[in-house]
Amino acid sequence: DAKTTQPNSMESNEEEPVHLPCNHSTISGTDYIHWYRQLPSQGPEYVIHGLTSNVNNRMASLAIAEDRKSSTLILHRATLRDAAVYYCIPRGSGTYKYIFGTGTRLKVLA
Amino acid sequence: GAGVSQSPSNKVTEKGKDVELRCDPISGHTALYWYRQSLGQGLEFLIYFQGNSAPDKSGLPSDRFSAERTGGSVSTLTIQRTQQEDSAVYLCASSPSYGGRQPQHFGDGTRLSIL
Repeated sequence: DAKTTQPNSMESNEEEPVHLPCNHSTISGTDYIHWYRQLPSQGPEYVIHGLTSNVNNRMASLAIAEDRKSSTLILHRATLRDAAVYYCIPRGSGTYKYIFGTGTRLKVLA
Repeated sequence: GAGVSQSPSNKVTEKGKDVELRCDPISGHTALYWYRQSLGQGLEFLIYFQGNSAPDKSGLPSDRFSAERTGGSVSTLTIQRTQQEDSAVYLCASSPSYGGRQPQHFGDGTRLSIL
Protein backbone atom coordinates (compact mmCIF):
# COMPACT_ATOMS: atom_id res chain seq x y z
CA ASP A 1 0.00 0.00 0.00
CA ALA A 2 1.28 3.43 -0.95
CA LYS A 3 2.23 5.68 1.96
CA THR A 4 0.95 9.25 1.93
CA THR A 5 2.25 12.48 3.42
CA GLN A 6 -0.11 15.39 4.02
CA PRO A 7 0.31 18.58 6.07
CA ASN A 8 -1.26 18.19 9.50
CA SER A 9 -3.20 21.43 9.14
CA MET A 10 -3.86 24.33 6.80
CA GLU A 11 -5.79 27.57 6.97
CA SER A 12 -7.64 29.47 4.31
CA ASN A 13 -9.73 32.59 4.12
CA GLU A 14 -13.33 32.23 3.08
CA GLU A 15 -14.00 32.56 -0.66
CA GLU A 16 -10.33 32.05 -1.53
CA PRO A 17 -8.96 28.99 -3.36
CA VAL A 18 -7.33 26.23 -1.32
CA HIS A 19 -4.68 23.82 -2.56
CA LEU A 20 -4.32 20.70 -0.41
CA PRO A 21 -1.17 18.72 -1.27
CA CYS A 22 -0.50 15.02 -0.91
CA ASN A 23 2.71 13.10 -1.54
CA HIS A 24 2.39 9.43 -2.48
CA SER A 25 5.80 8.62 -3.90
CA THR A 26 5.39 4.83 -3.57
CA ILE A 27 2.15 4.72 -5.57
CA SER A 28 1.83 1.88 -8.06
CA GLY A 29 0.74 2.29 -11.65
CA THR A 30 -2.77 0.95 -11.08
CA ASP A 31 -3.58 2.86 -7.88
CA TYR A 32 -6.40 5.35 -8.09
CA ILE A 33 -6.03 8.45 -5.95
CA HIS A 34 -9.12 9.05 -3.84
CA TRP A 35 -9.88 12.11 -1.73
CA TYR A 36 -12.34 12.15 1.13
CA ARG A 37 -13.22 14.72 3.74
CA GLN A 38 -14.71 14.31 7.17
CA LEU A 39 -16.74 17.01 8.84
CA PRO A 40 -17.17 16.92 12.63
CA SER A 41 -19.47 14.13 13.82
CA GLN A 42 -20.00 12.80 10.30
CA GLY A 43 -18.68 9.89 8.30
CA PRO A 44 -16.10 10.44 5.56
CA GLU A 45 -17.55 12.07 2.45
CA TYR A 46 -16.27 11.19 -1.03
CA VAL A 47 -14.82 14.21 -2.82
CA ILE A 48 -13.08 13.07 -6.00
CA HIS A 49 -10.79 10.44 -7.45
CA GLY A 50 -8.53 10.03 -10.46
CA LEU A 51 -5.85 7.85 -12.04
CA THR A 52 -3.65 9.95 -14.31
CA SER A 53 -5.54 12.89 -15.76
CA ASN A 54 -6.74 15.90 -13.85
CA VAL A 55 -10.37 15.60 -12.76
CA ASN A 56 -13.09 18.12 -12.03
CA ASN A 57 -16.46 17.75 -10.36
CA ARG A 58 -18.91 20.04 -8.63
CA MET A 59 -17.03 19.84 -5.35
CA ALA A 60 -13.40 20.18 -6.33
CA SER A 61 -10.61 19.62 -8.83
CA LEU A 62 -7.85 17.05 -8.59
CA ALA A 63 -4.48 17.82 -10.12
CA ILE A 64 -2.22 14.78 -10.49
CA ALA A 65 1.50 15.21 -11.11
CA GLU A 66 2.86 13.74 -14.32
CA ASP A 67 4.93 11.18 -12.38
CA ARG A 68 1.90 10.48 -10.12
CA LYS A 69 4.01 10.83 -7.00
CA SER A 70 1.92 13.70 -5.75
CA SER A 71 -1.51 15.22 -6.17
CA THR A 72 -3.33 18.37 -5.13
CA LEU A 73 -6.96 18.79 -4.21
CA ILE A 74 -8.22 22.21 -5.21
CA LEU A 75 -11.23 23.86 -3.62
CA HIS A 76 -11.94 26.83 -5.86
CA ARG A 77 -13.71 29.02 -3.29
CA ALA A 78 -13.51 27.87 0.30
CA THR A 79 -16.61 28.23 2.44
CA LEU A 80 -17.03 27.72 6.16
CA ARG A 81 -18.68 24.40 5.37
CA ASP A 82 -15.42 23.18 3.83
CA ALA A 83 -13.73 23.09 7.24
CA ALA A 84 -12.94 19.40 7.67
CA VAL A 85 -10.18 16.80 7.71
CA TYR A 86 -9.15 15.92 4.15
CA TYR A 87 -7.73 12.48 3.39
CA CYS A 88 -5.75 11.46 0.31
CA ILE A 89 -5.89 7.67 -0.22
CA PRO A 90 -4.23 5.73 -3.05
CA ARG A 91 -6.12 2.51 -3.71
CA GLY A 92 -5.31 -0.30 -6.13
CA SER A 93 -7.74 -1.41 -8.81
CA GLY A 94 -8.17 -4.78 -7.11
CA THR A 95 -8.22 -3.43 -3.58
CA TYR A 96 -11.40 -3.08 -1.58
CA LYS A 97 -10.35 -1.31 1.59
CA TYR A 98 -9.20 2.18 2.29
CA ILE A 99 -6.18 2.79 4.48
CA PHE A 100 -6.70 6.19 6.01
CA GLY A 101 -3.77 8.32 7.14
CA THR A 102 -4.02 11.28 9.47
CA GLY A 103 -5.17 13.75 6.80
CA THR A 104 -5.03 17.54 6.70
CA ARG A 105 -7.26 19.55 9.01
CA LEU A 106 -8.49 22.56 7.02
CA LYS A 107 -9.59 25.63 8.91
CA VAL A 108 -11.55 28.27 7.01
CA LEU A 109 -11.47 31.79 8.39
CA ALA A 110 -14.47 34.07 7.96
CA GLY B 1 -31.44 9.32 -2.94
CA ALA B 2 -31.03 7.62 0.40
CA GLY B 3 -27.51 7.19 1.64
CA VAL B 4 -26.02 4.62 3.98
CA SER B 5 -28.04 4.45 7.16
CA GLN B 6 -26.67 3.28 10.49
CA SER B 7 -28.47 2.62 13.74
CA PRO B 8 -28.40 3.42 16.51
CA SER B 9 -26.54 6.70 16.11
CA ASN B 10 -25.38 6.49 19.72
CA LYS B 11 -25.11 3.54 22.06
CA VAL B 12 -24.04 3.54 25.69
CA THR B 13 -23.66 0.21 27.41
CA GLU B 14 -21.97 -1.37 30.37
CA LYS B 15 -18.77 -3.33 30.12
CA GLY B 16 -19.45 -7.00 29.50
CA LYS B 17 -22.72 -6.52 27.61
CA ASP B 18 -23.24 -7.53 23.98
CA VAL B 19 -24.13 -4.91 21.36
CA GLU B 20 -25.46 -5.05 17.82
CA LEU B 21 -24.86 -2.30 15.30
CA ARG B 22 -26.89 -2.13 12.10
CA CYS B 23 -26.05 -0.87 8.63
CA ASP B 24 -28.44 -0.34 5.71
CA PRO B 25 -26.37 0.18 2.57
CA ILE B 26 -27.38 2.13 -0.51
CA SER B 27 -29.87 0.07 -2.51
CA GLY B 28 -28.16 -2.02 -5.16
CA HIS B 29 -24.69 -1.79 -3.65
CA THR B 30 -23.18 -5.26 -3.49
CA ALA B 31 -20.07 -4.35 -1.49
CA LEU B 32 -20.30 -3.36 2.17
CA TYR B 33 -17.52 -2.38 4.57
CA TRP B 34 -17.14 -1.78 8.29
CA TYR B 35 -14.53 0.57 9.71
CA ARG B 36 -13.81 1.82 13.22
CA GLN B 37 -12.62 5.27 14.26
CA SER B 38 -11.11 5.62 17.71
CA LEU B 39 -9.73 8.72 19.36
CA GLY B 40 -6.06 8.84 18.51
CA GLN B 41 -6.23 5.74 16.28
CA GLY B 42 -7.73 7.08 13.10
CA LEU B 43 -9.94 5.07 10.79
CA GLU B 44 -9.24 1.34 10.57
CA PHE B 45 -10.77 -1.31 8.34
CA LEU B 46 -12.66 -4.14 10.05
CA ILE B 47 -14.43 -6.34 7.49
CA TYR B 48 -15.66 -6.40 3.91
CA PHE B 49 -18.69 -8.14 2.37
CA GLN B 50 -19.28 -8.94 -1.27
CA GLY B 51 -22.90 -9.99 -1.36
CA ASN B 52 -23.46 -12.09 1.75
CA SER B 53 -19.96 -13.46 2.02
CA ALA B 54 -17.03 -11.88 3.84
CA PRO B 55 -13.81 -12.58 1.95
CA ASP B 56 -11.74 -10.55 4.39
CA LYS B 57 -12.29 -10.53 8.14
CA SER B 58 -8.69 -9.72 8.92
CA GLY B 59 -9.43 -6.36 10.48
CA LEU B 60 -11.69 -7.68 13.23
CA PRO B 61 -9.79 -6.94 16.48
CA SER B 62 -10.72 -10.14 18.33
CA ASP B 63 -13.10 -13.10 18.27
CA ARG B 64 -15.56 -11.02 20.28
CA PHE B 65 -16.32 -9.20 17.03
CA SER B 66 -18.48 -10.77 14.33
CA ALA B 67 -20.53 -9.52 11.41
CA GLU B 68 -23.11 -10.90 9.07
CA ARG B 69 -25.00 -9.72 6.05
CA THR B 70 -28.30 -11.15 4.92
CA GLY B 71 -30.13 -10.85 1.62
CA GLY B 72 -27.21 -8.93 0.18
CA SER B 73 -28.41 -5.88 2.00
CA VAL B 74 -28.52 -5.16 5.75
CA SER B 75 -25.45 -5.94 7.82
CA THR B 76 -25.05 -6.34 11.57
CA LEU B 77 -21.81 -5.95 13.50
CA THR B 78 -21.93 -7.69 16.87
CA ILE B 79 -19.54 -7.14 19.74
CA GLN B 80 -19.76 -9.65 22.58
CA ARG B 81 -18.63 -9.02 26.14
CA THR B 82 -17.77 -5.40 25.39
CA GLN B 83 -14.61 -3.86 26.81
CA GLN B 84 -13.79 -0.19 27.36
CA GLU B 85 -11.30 -0.25 24.50
CA ASP B 86 -14.23 -1.02 22.15
CA SER B 87 -15.44 2.56 22.60
CA ALA B 88 -15.27 4.17 19.16
CA VAL B 89 -17.33 5.31 16.21
CA TYR B 90 -18.24 2.36 14.00
CA LEU B 91 -18.67 3.36 10.37
CA CYS B 92 -20.30 1.45 7.56
CA ALA B 93 -19.77 2.11 3.85
CA SER B 94 -21.06 0.62 0.63
CA SER B 95 -20.15 0.69 -3.05
CA PRO B 96 -21.71 -0.70 -6.24
CA SER B 97 -18.92 -3.30 -6.38
CA TYR B 98 -15.38 -3.52 -5.10
CA GLY B 99 -12.23 -2.23 -6.73
CA GLY B 100 -10.00 0.80 -6.75
CA ARG B 101 -12.20 2.73 -9.13
CA GLN B 102 -15.28 2.52 -6.93
CA PRO B 103 -15.65 5.16 -4.23
CA GLN B 104 -17.23 4.03 -1.00
CA HIS B 105 -20.14 5.92 0.49
CA PHE B 106 -20.10 6.17 4.27
CA GLY B 107 -22.83 6.48 6.85
CA ASP B 108 -22.47 8.79 9.82
CA GLY B 109 -21.60 5.96 12.16
CA THR B 110 -22.65 4.58 15.51
CA ARG B 111 -20.88 6.16 18.46
CA LEU B 112 -20.34 3.37 20.98
CA SER B 113 -19.46 4.20 24.58
CA ILE B 114 -18.60 1.45 27.05
CA LEU B 115 -18.95 2.43 30.69
